[in-house]
Amino acid sequence: GAVVSQHPSRVICKSGTSVKIECRSLDFQATTMFWYRQFPKKSLMLMATSNEGSKATYEQGVEKDKFLINHASLTLSTLTVTSAHPEDSSFYICSARDSELAVQETQYFGPGTRLLVL
Amino acid sequence: QKEVEQNSGPLSVPEGAIASLNCTYSDRGSQSFFWYRQYSGKSPELIMSIYSNGDKEDGRFTAQLNKASQYVSLLIRDSQPSDSATYLCAVQKAAGNKLTFGGGTRVLVKP
Repeated sequence: GAVVSQHPSRVICKSGTSVKIECRSLDFQATTMFWYRQFPKKSLMLMATSNEGSKATYEQGVEKDKFLINHASLTLSTLTVTSAHPEDSSFYICSARDSELAVQETQYFGPGTRLLVL
Repeated sequence: QKEVEQNSGPLSVPEGAIASLNCTYSDRGSQSFFWYRQYSGKSPELIMSIYSNGDKEDGRFTAQLNKASQYVSLLIRDSQPSDSATYLCAVQKAAGNKLTFGGGTRVLVKP
């Protein structure tokens, strides 16, 4: 299957700092990537849909100025958590959709980034 | 009503038995259905996708879809301890659209 990587896998930062998380599709092009957040023992919650070359679409309740998304190329999307607070501590997971596939396609998930804000 | 509902479990099954997981969804316009497996501390991995009514088999896994009743199920035959994980049902309204996940069902396979 297709491979999606995330970097870093784990990050600890101080409250008030910003953290950037990268999501890369390694062997396919992805015009669309998705960013999810998962709290312990909870399911995945979609934060935003990242579209290459255009603005991201944020889900209701997600602050676009706090969670900055950039999708500058067909293989890279970044999520920046600005002015991080302890309540932002979570497991952040990206997924990517293969642009080459036709109608019935699947999303491939990255390994996730665990963020801890002190 | 949640868009995608699953029993949280845990579903405890003895090794070698069949594990049966169910998922219901609220939007009749949903077109694509997925089952993901997630181990603790890891990201989800795709097990099965199903798009039309009926059964779809892949190894020890069988997905069943009934659009009229708005449910999709997953059967795991010959369950192994390594199958112990949380299984997430995901529903998609149209190609390229976002996935909506259920809360997941935790499965415990006991040796």
